[in-house]
Amino acid sequence: DIQMTQSPSAMSASVGDRVTITCRASQGISNFLAWFQQRPGQVPKRLIYAASSLQSGVPSRFSGSGSGTEFTLTISSLQPEDFATYYCLQHNSFPRTFGQGTKVEIK
Amino acid sequence: QVQLVQSGAEVKKPGSSVKVSCKASGGTFSTYAVTWVRQAPGQGLEWVGRIIPFLGVAKYAQKFQGRVTITADKSTTTAYIELSSLRSEDTAIYFCARDADIAASAFDIWGQGTRVTVSS
Repeated sequence: DIQMTQSPSAMSASVGDRVTITCRASQGISNFLAWFQQRPGQVPKRLIYAASSLQSGVPSRFSGSGSGTEFTLTISSLQPEDFATYYCLQHNSFPRTFGQGTKVEIK
Repeated sequence: QVQLVQSGAEVKKPGSSVKVSCKASGGTFSTYAVTWVRQAPGQGLEWVGRIIPFLGVAKYAQKFQGRVTITADKSTTTAYIELSSLRSEDTAIYFCARDADIAASAFDIWGQGTRVTVSS
């Protein structure tokens, strides 16, 4: 199985901060990597697909990069509605595996 | 645009089984895969398995092998997950989502989730 190691597991940030979340795959997954945002009590929402493609309707302050084993989700200027938990997912092979999540909290 | 609508919450006894449905509307059901993901209270997302309705072929996470069955009915455009020998650790929200080999269509659409509670 491919392990997805996400870091940090939690962070505190202020509105306007630049936030970076990293996901490392235990083996190469090309660009079969997606990022999700999940607010409490809500369904996960896809933000980024194919490692760097922005989902339609998602604000441009969200961006993704990487290929192979190292991936990054960046929020250029954190907004109040961005306080949530973020997950990466590899869908290069089975079983699909998620990172353990990064909870972004208000500082 | 495809929408996925899941069945309602379930409360089950330990040792019993549960079957959750996920009905697709507004798109070509059979050409994509339907995947099932679960989330225990306060925990992260966990992939359970998926099915390609057109082929009727399912894949499962090793952890659930022998206890889970994922099926699909093309005539009603509905996918199902059945989990047997339930234990308290199976208490979770179960989500269905669209999966595909094309990245743009992978995990882009999700059902609203079904809460399954296992309690004596």
